Amino acid sequence: NAGVTQTPKFRVLKTGQSMTLLCAQDMNHEYMYWYRQDPGMGLRLIHYSVGEGTTAKGEVPDGYNVSRLKKQNFLLGLESAAPSQTSVYFCASTRPSGTTDTQYFGPGTRLTVL
Amino acid sequence: GESVGLHLPTLSVQEGDNSIINCAYSNSASDYFIWYKQESGKGPQFIIDIRSNMDKRQGQRVTVLLNKTVKHLSLQIAATQPGDSAVYFCAEHQAGTALIFGKGTTLSVSS
Repeated sequence: NAGVTQTPKFRVLKTGQSMTLLCAQDMNHEYMYWYRQDPGMGLRLIHYSVGEGTTAKGEVPDGYNVSRLKKQNFLLGLESAAPSQTSVYFCASTRPSGTTDTQYFGPGTRLTVL
Repeated sequence: GESVGLHLPTLSVQEGDNSIINCAYSNSASDYFIWYKQESGKGPQFIIDIRSNMDKRQGQRVTVLLNKTVKHLSLQIAATQPGDSAVYFCAEHQAGTALIFGKGTTLSVSS
């Protein structure tokens, strides 16, 4: 199993440009998440999905949109990038078991907005 | 708002010492807690978790202690090795929501 994969690994955008980050998981997990991580900060939840076709807002959803058309994929979109969105983005997935909800993370996408 | 935090942003130890990383949480309704390790340039990696009805759980070289009275969580690493150098995050889970992460403690192990 590849686990959780993210593409691209790095990207530089100009202010106002748009892009989509792709997250894929091959573990048949129901739940998927997008986080951003800034220097000296923990992970902050942007959006999450509890199943195919469903999405919900997290702690910092403004400026981002998401889609979960297939169970294995979770897309994060930036319609008009801003320098404040410069960050490292992590995707995670989990299969709620009723006992624990351990999240498995991807390797991250480093995004710079100029 | 309620959040999970760590007492110290950095911790430096000598190889072979035991390390203790602390975390305070504020939501007594959290039903379990997880410790993650994040190495430079990588995503967080699961280390160990503990449910709120437990006060101690042991893994390989790691022990997590939970004190619900003072809402405190700790991660103990025995015989710390250079490969343990990383940022450690605690996270709390509340039913119906996603994990809430603390800011992290950077552990530096010197030989």
